[in-house]
Formats: sequence, C-alpha cells, structure tokens
Amino acid sequence: DTEVTQTPKHLVMGMTNKKSLKCEQHMGHRAMYWYKQKAKKPPELMFVYSYEKLSINESVPSRFSPECPNSSLLNLHLHALQPEDSALYLCASSPFASGSMADTQYFGPGTRLTVL
Amino acid sequence: AQSVTQLDSHVSVSEGTPVLLRCNYSSSYSPSLFWYVQHPNKGLQLLLKYTSAATLVKGINGFEAEFKKSETSFHLTKPSAHMSDAAEYFCVVSDSAGNQFYFGTGTSLTVIP
Repeated sequence: DTEVTQTPKHLVMGMTNKKSLKCEQHMGHRAMYWYKQKAKKPPELMFVYSYEKLSINESVPSRFSPECPNSSLLNLHLHALQPEDSALYLCASSPFASGSMADTQYFGPGTRLTVL
Repeated sequence: AQSVTQLDSHVSVSEGTPVLLRCNYSSSYSPSLFWYVQHPNKGLQLLLKYTSAATLVKGINGFEAEFKKSETSFHLTKPSAHMSDAAEYFCVVSDSAGNQFYFGTGTSLTVIP
C-alpha cells in the first residue's frame, strides 16, 4: 500500500457543528502532517506529528484540534469553524527515517471543506 | 533560512512543445528539493526529488529537473507537453531536519491544443 487516504472527500458544515477529518497511511511512515490550502495558493502547514507526538503547531486556532491515535492514523477535529476556514485540507506522511527519501512527503487527495 | 521562488505564476505552451518551469532556491545548507504537481481538486503528486546523488533528476511522466548549485536553480523541464500536463506545479525545499517543507507560490501550466 503506497498511498495516503483521506475521508470524507467533501464536507459541508455549519459554524456550530463538530466534525472530524480522517487520514490514514499504511506505509510505516512515522511523520504525518496536516495542511490547509486555499484556492490558487500553496499548502500551508498546520500540524506535524512525529512518532505520534505533536512536534509542530503553526499557531493554528484552537477550533482545529489534531489527534494521532496510532502511527497509521491522523485525525483533525473541527469545532465552531468560520466561513474563512473553507479550504482543501491535505494530509501527508513521510518516512522520517534514514535514507535519501526520508523527508519526502506523500500527500492524500484532500478533504474539500465548506463552512456555511 | 530556506525559501523557494517560482519565477512564473503562469506558463502557457502548445501541445508537443517543450515545457520549462523555473525555480530558484535559497538555503544555508545542501538542500533537498522537490517538484510536485497538483491537478484540479486533487492532492499533490511527487514528480521528482533532488537527493544529491545526481544533478540531473528524472521523474515521472517524462519530467526532469537539473540542480545547478552555482545558479541556485532547480528548473523543471519536459521535451514535449501533453494535454494531461495542465496543472499547478510546486517547487519545494525541505529544512535540514527533513521535518518541514517550504513551498514556492506555484506555477499554473496551461497546454494549448
């Protein structure tokens, strides 16, 4: 298995809803990432997990709450979002081990989030 | 500090003609450099990576890139554009720990039939 999967593909939610995004990889990668991407812009890093521990939090508002239950799974819990949070949310993973491809990130297809 | 500059926000080529997407980088050490492609409403797909083993890197779908340290460049090329190449292309440099990516602003490639 050489892919990163994300569910759901699309999500529409109101500002008072609570929802979660899910990301999964079975490549044995030990680093996982959440990115936010607005239209016509590069992805912006939100969080990095290394060995299931949060290692980078790029000053993301607390209405976004990441969780890494195990080495294969990464969740992003959403609560009280704003319309400006509408974007494509991308998950990625990387080996984070020795070797020339250690830092290569492999991206999932993303979840298109719309906040009404 | 690391940074990446993609010199063209938009490139338009005719089908069957060469593609050149330009990328310059700034890094205080020997960097890892990547090109990713993103088709509309899709995730990012790795095209190729510079790993210091060879300055000319061959990737998927006929793309290649040449690392030129003296020019701090990592331009992406393809001899003959195909309609399916129309997409957004990102040049990326990673930090020394391999923990974080720094993205260029992207180049949108249009292929004219």
